[in-house]
Amino acid sequence: NAGVTQTPKFRILKIGQSMTLQCTQDMNHNYMYWYRQDPGMGLKLIYYSVGAGITDKGEVPNGYNVSRSTTEDFPLRLELAAPSQTSVYFCASRGQGRAYEAFFGQGTRLTVV
Amino acid sequence: EDQVTQSPEALRLQEGESSSLNCSYTVSGLRGLFWYRQDPGKGPEFLFTLYSAGEEKEKERLKATLTKKESFLHITAPKPEDSATYLCAVQARYGGATNKLIFGTGTLLAVQP
Repeated sequence: NAGVTQTPKFRILKIGQSMTLQCTQDMNHNYMYWYRQDPGMGLKLIYYSVGAGITDKGEVPNGYNVSRSTTEDFPLRLELAAPSQTSVYFCASRGQGRAYEAFFGQGTRLTVV
Repeated sequence: EDQVTQSPEALRLQEGESSSLNCSYTVSGLRGLFWYRQDPGKGPEFLFTLYSAGEEKEKERLKATLTKKESFLHITAPKPEDSATYLCAVQARYGGATNKLIFGTGTLLAVQP
């Protein structure tokens, strides 16, 4: 049972570099989410998607972009990395319906230096 | 604005010392309230979903309850392996947040032997 898979697990970026955080799920879930987690700050929503081809901004979208070309994949793109983007990033997915729980990946720890 | 507040921020218990964690929420109609456990370096792991005031759910030493304004996670006779960060999240029924999961900042629980 793979669930939600994130790659890479760790990454160090230099200021101004770009990268894509990968997220894929094998549960045929419509909803997918990207969160960032800073120490003591809880989970902040970056972007989310309610299905292939549909994305929307969360609380902290600046500096990030997403796409959802398939049900399974929801990559997060960082353009021109900044030290403020140093964080742990989590991808999550959930089914559609009443209030289904979200399943999380193991996270990507990103450091921008 | 939809909001989730958790207290205390941190809690230290002796093994066997029961206590409760609080999650207060303000949301445009509650569709669901979720409790998660997060171990260091890992993604949040689902524990419970509560849908309506008066509902209770139990799992081993954990019991979650829900009122119209808050939820409690009761921990009975905790063991050191219960040490983790416990996160609360809500999904709204109305407005722009119906597709989002809004998280609190979590309670860091340490259970000492």
